[in-house]
Amino acid sequence: DIQMTQSPSTLSASVGDRVTITCRASQSVSSWLAWYQQKPGKAPKLLIYKASSLESGVPSRFSGSGSGTEFTLTISSLQPDDFATYYCQQYNGYLWTFGQGTKVEIK
Amino acid sequence: EVQLLESGGGLVQPGESLRLSCAASGFTFSTYAMGWVRQAPGEGLEWVSTLRGSGTDTYYADSVKGRFTISRDNSRDTLYLQLNSLRDEDTAIYYCAKYRGAAPYWYFDLWGRGTLVTVSS
Repeated sequence: DIQMTQSPSTLSASVGDRVTITCRASQSVSSWLAWYQQKPGKAPKLLIYKASSLESGVPSRFSGSGSGTEFTLTISSLQPDDFATYYCQQYNGYLWTFGQGTKVEIK
Repeated sequence: EVQLLESGGGLVQPGESLRLSCAASGFTFSTYAMGWVRQAPGEGLEWVSTLRGSGTDTYYADSVKGRFTISRDNSRDTLYLQLNSLRDEDTAIYYCAKYRGAAPYWYFDLWGRGTLVTVSS
């Protein structure tokens, strides 16, 4: 099975900061990678698919990059609504795996 | 409105069974693959199972294979998850989710609010 590892596990940042989260796959997943945002008590929300495609309605301050085994999610200017937990997920075939999550906290 | 609404969660004892339902609305249910994802208390997301829109071809995580069964009724726009031989470690919020994309590269684009399953003696 493909393992997904996110770093860091927790990130403390301030409003306006540029934030980068990394996701590494144990083997190549090409560009078949999605990013989700989850707030406490809520369902996850799709942000990015196919590594770099922005989901409709998601603010343009979110961007994704990478291919193969290394991927990044960048928030260009952190907003109060962005404090949440972020998960990457690979979908390279009929098995799906998530990273362990990165919690973005207020500094 | 496009939405998914789960039901059927509850408190059960180890070894017991439960059936979860997910009612879909606002989209052509039968044309989309659907899945279940769970989240143990304070933990991350774990994919559980997937089913094609046609109802053929099922996929399961190793942790639930042989115990859980995914199914759907396209005439009722409803997805199901039968949970048998439940264990303490199956305690989680179970989310129903809709896939998007061309097989086999499906990813989740819509999630329900989840239903809590608690397994405890």
